[in-house]
Amino acid sequence: EIVLTQSPGTLSLSPGERATLSCRASQNINNNYLAWYQQKPGQAPRFLIYDASRRATGIPDRFSGSGSGTDFTLTISRLEPEDFAVYYCQQYSISSLSFGGGTKLEIK
Amino acid sequence: EVQLVESGGGLVQPGGSLRLSCAASGFTFSDPWMHWVRQAPGKGLVWVSRINGDGSVTHYADSVKGRFTISRDNAKNTLYLQMNSLKGEDTAVYYCAGRGSGKIDSWGQGTLVTVSS
Repeated sequence: EIVLTQSPGTLSLSPGERATLSCRASQNINNNYLAWYQQKPGQAPRFLIYDASRRATGIPDRFSGSGSGTDFTLTISRLEPEDFAVYYCQQYSISSLSFGGGTKLEIK
Repeated sequence: EVQLVESGGGLVQPGGSLRLSCAASGFTFSDPWMHWVRQAPGKGLVWVSRINGDGSVTHYADSVKGRFTISRDNAKNTLYLQMNSLKGEDTAVYYCAGRGSGKIDSWGQGTLVTVSS
C-alpha cells in the first residue's frame, strides 16, 4: 500500500496570494501516476490534475502540478475566492489506489 | 454530459447488507474503469474498489476485501456495490466515480450509508 501524506493540514492565505500544497508518498510513484482533486463542502470532488502535471479539461491555468518519485506539489498561482476548499492527492501507480488526507485551504 | 447517479444508501444494522447502484449516462459505459470511493462524515476520501470495462478485473481496498463486491451491468449502464457484514466504520457517503483506470474525472453526488443499531 502506498501512503500519501499531505502538508500542511490547513493553509491560511488571502485572495491573490500563491498557494503551495505538498503530497509525499511512502514509496516511489511509477510513471508519476498522481492526481489532484478539489472538494468544497457538500459537493463531490472535482478533478484538477493527472499524471502529476497535466491539467484536466476546463481547469484554469493558475492551477499547476509538479514533482516526481515521492514528492509532489500543487500550486495555485493567484488565489481566487472560489479556490478555498479541501485538496486531495491520489496515486494510481499500483492496483490498490489511495488518497492523501487532504489540505484545507482557508481564507486568512 | 456525463452523469452518475447513486442510489441504495440508508440505515442498516451492524452485520447487515446493502447494495448500492449507480446509473450512468452521457458516455459509453462499457468502455472505462469505474470506482467506488467513500468519505466518512468530516473525513477524507478513501478509495474502495474498481472494476474494468467488461467486469473481468476487480480490485479492493484491504478494509473491504472479502465483504464488498463490485460489479456492473453494461446493458443497463449500471455499476453496483454489494456490501455485506457491514461495520460502523463503513458509515460514509459512497461516491460512484470513473472513467479512468486510476485517475477519476467524473463523480456522482454520493449516497449516504449509515451502519448503526
